[in-house]
Amino acid sequence: NAGVTQTPKFRVLKTGQSMTLLCAQDMNHEYMYWYRQDPGMGLRLIHYSVGEGTTAKGEVPDGYNVSRLKKQNFLLGLESAAPSQTSVYFCASTGAGGLSGVAFFGQGTRLTVV
Amino acid sequence: AQSVTQPDIHITVSEGASLELRCNYSYGATPYLFWYVQSPGQGLQLLLKYFSGDTLVQGIKGFEAEFKRSQSSFNLRKPSVHWSDAAEYFCAVGPDQAGTALIFGKGTTLSVSS
Repeated sequence: NAGVTQTPKFRVLKTGQSMTLLCAQDMNHEYMYWYRQDPGMGLRLIHYSVGEGTTAKGEVPDGYNVSRLKKQNFLLGLESAAPSQTSVYFCASTGAGGLSGVAFFGQGTRLTVV
Repeated sequence: AQSVTQPDIHITVSEGASLELRCNYSYGATPYLFWYVQSPGQGLQLLLKYFSGDTLVQGIKGFEAEFKRSQSSFNLRKPSVHWSDAAEYFCAVGPDQAGTALIFGKGTTLSVSS
């Protein structure tokens, strides 16, 4: 089925470890986003990309890096995980119309940092 | 500053009763407005959106929302709630100051009692 796929779905990290979350979309969308969801906080934008090879910071970018080497993939990296990064991470994508189109969300990655 | 407020953290409604979820926003112009639903363990699904035109918007699953400019509100309604509507609901506005992403409210959890 077409859509947004996130890998992995669950992960437990120790403080200081690194990891990469992968987001893949097969809808040829230009825009891709990484959000984090915390209880009582809604979704907050970490980083986003408006096209292949471009990335930009969102509301809460500290401690994260991203790359968009291929149009269909948007990677979120944690270089040195901290307990404050325990969260559910969602990737989303929209087409060339940006917000005038439908944003498709992945099913989320639940990350726990101990 | 751009922001979205969902005043109700948790609402319980009897099955078959009507529902209204509140959303207020602060935005310099008329924003794009969205309602998303998140079922447990799932990503977000778009219920409906408003860009311009008729201020009463119909969405999926029998939901509707009304944009009221004078009140800076975009409340979500459903005339008869089903047990399967139990979920978390997010109101969002956009674009953000960077012009590309959505700003989410903190969400309202809907419980449905029998």
